[in-house]
Amino acid sequence: VQLVESGGGLVQPGRSLRLSCAASGFTFGDYAMHWVRQAPGKGLEWVSGIDWNDGNIGYADSVKGRFTISRDNAKNSLYLQMNSLRAEDTALYYCAKDRVFGSATGTSLEYWGQGTLVTVSS
Amino acid sequence: DIQMTQSPSSLSASVGDRVTITCQASQDIGHYVNWYQQKPGKAPKALIYDASNLETGVPSRFSGSGSGTDFTFTISSLQPEDFATYYCQQYDDLPRTALTFGGGTKVEIK
Repeated sequence: VQLVESGGGLVQPGRSLRLSCAASGFTFGDYAMHWVRQAPGKGLEWVSGIDWNDGNIGYADSVKGRFTISRDNAKNSLYLQMNSLRAEDTALYYCAKDRVFGSATGTSLEYWGQGTLVTVSS
Repeated sequence: DIQMTQSPSSLSASVGDRVTITCQASQDIGHYVNWYQQKPGKAPKALIYDASNLETGVPSRFSGSGSGTDFTFTISSLQPEDFATYYCQQYDDLPRTALTFGGGTKVEIK
């Protein structure tokens, strides 16, 4: 299993950024996927999750209405569209694979990528 | 939303020590707790799922227990490679997709 995040960078407050996660080594369309972030020197924060067929999507309250998760099973890819970015969104963003086949709501995070860094600053 | 209170936030221990970390959920979550290890500069690694099940390849010195609101993670004999930060995580906010992590416990060398 390999998960490779991309799309991070330095962005001004109020602007947008789109993160991508390229997955390989498993049948991507069979598993829920998640984004988890970690601010510098802080703990882990679950950001968003999406089930295998887009039927169930969830967001942390801190990003609801600003971030949108999506997936393209044909391209084995997960995305996170981040709008109206704030300084407090500065973090390393991880893509993670759910461990349960066909999970509708998210369970445990079996595999993680190495993360992509998002810095929101003027 | 379900909150996870993890304690202690840090601890100092020696090689060979038994280490115990606890997580308390804000409501009954059955056995839906997972544990992760994170070393500096690295992505988290899954250790235990559903409160007490070891992920493949995880040494047997790691264990988990508990149900309802109170959960425990134990390292029976601390090894040099175990110095890291450990996190609990719940997933019982059904039918929503909403995972929550505890605040983390940093295990340092005494």
